[in-house]
Amino acid sequence: EPEVTQTPSHQVTQMGQEVILRCVPISNHLYFYWYRQILGQKVEFLVSFYNNEISEKSEIFDDQFSVERPDGSNFTLKIRSTKLEDSAMYFCPSAPSGVGNEQFFGPGTRLTVL
Amino acid sequence: QKEVEQNSGPLSVPEGAIASLNCTYSDRGSQSFFWYRQYSGKSPELIMFIYSNGDKEDGRFTAQLNKASQYVSLLIRDSQPSDSATYLCAVNGPGNQFYFGTGTSLTVIP
Repeated sequence: EPEVTQTPSHQVTQMGQEVILRCVPISNHLYFYWYRQILGQKVEFLVSFYNNEISEKSEIFDDQFSVERPDGSNFTLKIRSTKLEDSAMYFCPSAPSGVGNEQFFGPGTRLTVL
Repeated sequence: QKEVEQNSGPLSVPEGAIASLNCTYSDRGSQSFFWYRQYSGKSPELIMFIYSNGDKEDGRFTAQLNKASQYVSLLIRDSQPSDSATYLCAVNGPGNQFYFGTGTSLTVIP
């Protein structure tokens, strides 16, 4: 059964550094998302992406964040200048279509900002 | 802000019993409702989804939706120790982003 994959599984970085988190969504899916989960807290929506553009973003997704689909398979989240509070698990589920469709989560990337 | 509320628990049930998990949501425009299971340190795993008022059954799991009361629940019959996890309720937003509750921690006691 196809799955979302994410790399790296764990990223450690220094505050102020740029990080890129990578995701390969399920191949026939059209909608892509990034969420984060700070330890012990709820899963929070960051951004949704469809047809090579952002369709929705949350207040968390400020100018420090960007997303890209550089080719037909990868989907990336870039954080330009990491802060301590960016430490979290980052998930990138995908969905086959839009409203109402279930989102399938990958294993996540744990980001630790020191 | 779209709110999704769940009792954080912990909820403890003996093996073989029925576990009942509840969720309320604030946005009357929400149309799709999902239950995910999350083991400690792992990613959310989809268990059930429901779109229409009433009950939807899948094996040992039953999702119940009451849009008038803005309430969705998950029943787990014949609970097993392997069901011990945190259960997340998710509700769709206008762009099909999901709003998650904080989750209910379930422990099934052998």
